[in-house]
Amino acid sequence: GIQVEQSPPDLILQEGANSTLRCNFSDSVNNLQWFHQNPWGQLINLFYIPSGTKQNGRLSATTVATERYSLLYISSSQTTDSGVYFCAASPQGGSEKLVFGKGTKLTVNP
Amino acid sequence: DGGITQSPKYLFRKEGQNVTLSCEQNLNHDAMYWYRQDPGQGLRLIYYSQIVNDFQKGDIAEGYSVSREKKESFPLTVTSAQKNPTAFYLCASRYWAGEKLFFGSGTQLSVL
Repeated sequence: GIQVEQSPPDLILQEGANSTLRCNFSDSVNNLQWFHQNPWGQLINLFYIPSGTKQNGRLSATTVATERYSLLYISSSQTTDSGVYFCAASPQGGSEKLVFGKGTKLTVNP
Repeated sequence: DGGITQSPKYLFRKEGQNVTLSCEQNLNHDAMYWYRQDPGQGLRLIYYSQIVNDFQKGDIAEGYSVSREKKESFPLTVTSAQKNPTAFYLCASRYWAGEKLFFGSGTQLSVL
């Protein structure tokens, strides 16, 4: 099945810094999503982005489907951005199964 | 408010006991999912259901069972056959394939 790899596994920033998180996937996808899990375990959907670029406030995401990767950009980071960021993908062919990467743990220090 | 409700928030299981985790959604979503998360790990799919009275095994279905008698509800039973049930369990739903996935707040299951 499809493999989803995220990097880096851990990232520590000072408040105000920018960062880029990467997600590589092994097959062509028809569904690529980014999530943020807060320290209490709640997962929030940030982007549904099988291709192209989207922006939402300080966050933006780009998926280059032909090269099998997606990037999540966080600008002017805040302590509330801390948590784990997951990407998840499902392969082309209509699969209902979203496969998750192992996540990037982000810590933003004041 | 629309959302996905999981209960209980914390659950303890005794040896040889079956326990059931509840998941209810009032978003009118078609598809529902159960994921398991172990510390420091990603999410692994246990079961999913696209329509009422139908469900499919995910990657780690052994030791678990589900039902989908109503569109709004997708309970997960952790049976005594699941030898390592301690984990954080997350329920999710979405309208249809390709749509954004939304999660409940999770249930932490521990073994006594």
